[in-house]
Amino acid sequence: AQSVAQPEDQVNVAEGNPLTVKCTYSVSGNPYLFWYVQYPNRGLQFLLKYITGDNLVKGSYGFEAEFNKSQTSFHLKKPSALVSDSALYFCAVRDMWTDDKIIFGKGTRLHILP
Amino acid sequence: EAGVAQSPRYKIIEKRQSVAFWCNPISGHATLYWYQQILGQGPKLLIQFQNNGVVDDSQLPKDRFSAERLKGVDSTLKIQPAKLEDSAVYLCASSLASGTGVSYEQYFGPGTRLTVT
Repeated sequence: AQSVAQPEDQVNVAEGNPLTVKCTYSVSGNPYLFWYVQYPNRGLQFLLKYITGDNLVKGSYGFEAEFNKSQTSFHLKKPSALVSDSALYFCAVRDMWTDDKIIFGKGTRLHILP
Repeated sequence: EAGVAQSPRYKIIEKRQSVAFWCNPISGHATLYWYQQILGQGPKLLIQFQNNGVVDDSQLPKDRFSAERLKGVDSTLKIQPAKLEDSAVYLCASSLASGTGVSYEQYFGPGTRLTVT
């Protein structure tokens, strides 16, 4: 069965600095990987996904994520953080061939300090 | 393009009472999902529909939860009777399709916050 881990409950970054939100996964086959963001009192919004192809995936709001097969990681990154990036971020994984269910991580709260 | 609609946004009930949630997915989206999100945790899939058929309900507590998607569009999720541990946000999502080798992103509604007292 697939699983996903977000090792940090909260990440604090100063505005203008680069940010990284970590995610590692486990699947028996090949993964589909996703990042979603959740703002207060709102549903999750899709940021980006990895299916196949380039390991560096670019998404909404200037975010990108790097797929690393050897480390089974899919860390979310942004070169320069904005205060408006403060939110709850979820990594999710699905096995490409064996199971249709997406598994979400527990979430990482990103706090951008002005 | 209209997003996923859910109602009500908030609901407070006493334990052992019944409650129902409604979801209207994005037009043309064949797949509809219901998730339970408990505070401090990621969303957990309760049930997934492809058109009006159930794809996965392995994590749905079937002794008290039920869901239907008549005509393959709108869906309702019901809890009867509710327990204290059902307090959570119930999220509905939809996607164009789903299946082996296919993975479209999901679009989420704003959720219904349920408090069971």
